[in-house]
Amino acid sequence: DIQLTQSPSFLSASVGDRVTITCRASQGISSYLAWYQQKPGKAPKLLIYAASTLQSGVPSRFSGSGSGTEFTLTISSLQPEDFATYYCQQLNSYLPEFTFGPGTKVDIK
Amino acid sequence: QVQLVESGGGVVQPGGSLRLSCAASGFTFSSYGMHWVRQAPGKGLEWVAFIRYDGSNKYYADSVKGRFTISRDNSKNTLYLQMNSLRAEDTAVYYCAKDRIRVRIDGFDYWGQGTLVTVSS
Repeated sequence: DIQLTQSPSFLSASVGDRVTITCRASQGISSYLAWYQQKPGKAPKLLIYAASTLQSGVPSRFSGSGSGTEFTLTISSLQPEDFATYYCQQLNSYLPEFTFGPGTKVDIK
Repeated sequence: QVQLVESGGGVVQPGGSLRLSCAASGFTFSSYGMHWVRQAPGKGLEWVAFIRYDGSNKYYADSVKGRFTISRDNSKNTLYLQMNSLRAEDTAVYYCAKDRIRVRIDGFDYWGQGTLVTVSS
């Protein structure tokens, strides 16, 4: 089974800060990685797919990079509506399991 | 617009059964793979099951294999999750989610609002 870890698990930041979240896979998954944002009581929202492609309608301050085992989600200038929990997900369908990372909560400093 | 509406959640005793439904609209349901994802109270997301657009392939998380069955009725634009032998650790909000594209699985672009399943005596 592929395991995903995220760091940090919790992040305190201010509006305007640049924020980077890292996701590591226990084995190589090429670029089969997605990022989601979830706010309390709401369903997750797809931000990035294929490791670096911005989902339609998502602000350009969000970006993704990486391949293989290490990936990053960057928010270039944190906005008030970005305070949420962020999850990575591996989507390597050769191993039919689509595991999520444990999440990173971004809170207001 | 795309809508996914789950139903069927509730309180069930350990060992019991429950069937969840997800009614889809606003897109060609028969053209997309679908998933169930759950989230225990205060916990992270856990992928549960996948079904191909035509129902020909189904995958399950190890934690539910042999107990849960995913199915779909493309004539009714509805996704199902039959849950048997329920355990306390199955307590969660269950979401249905749509594959972003048909040709491969690279992200879940629409999600329902979720339905809460509580397994308790």
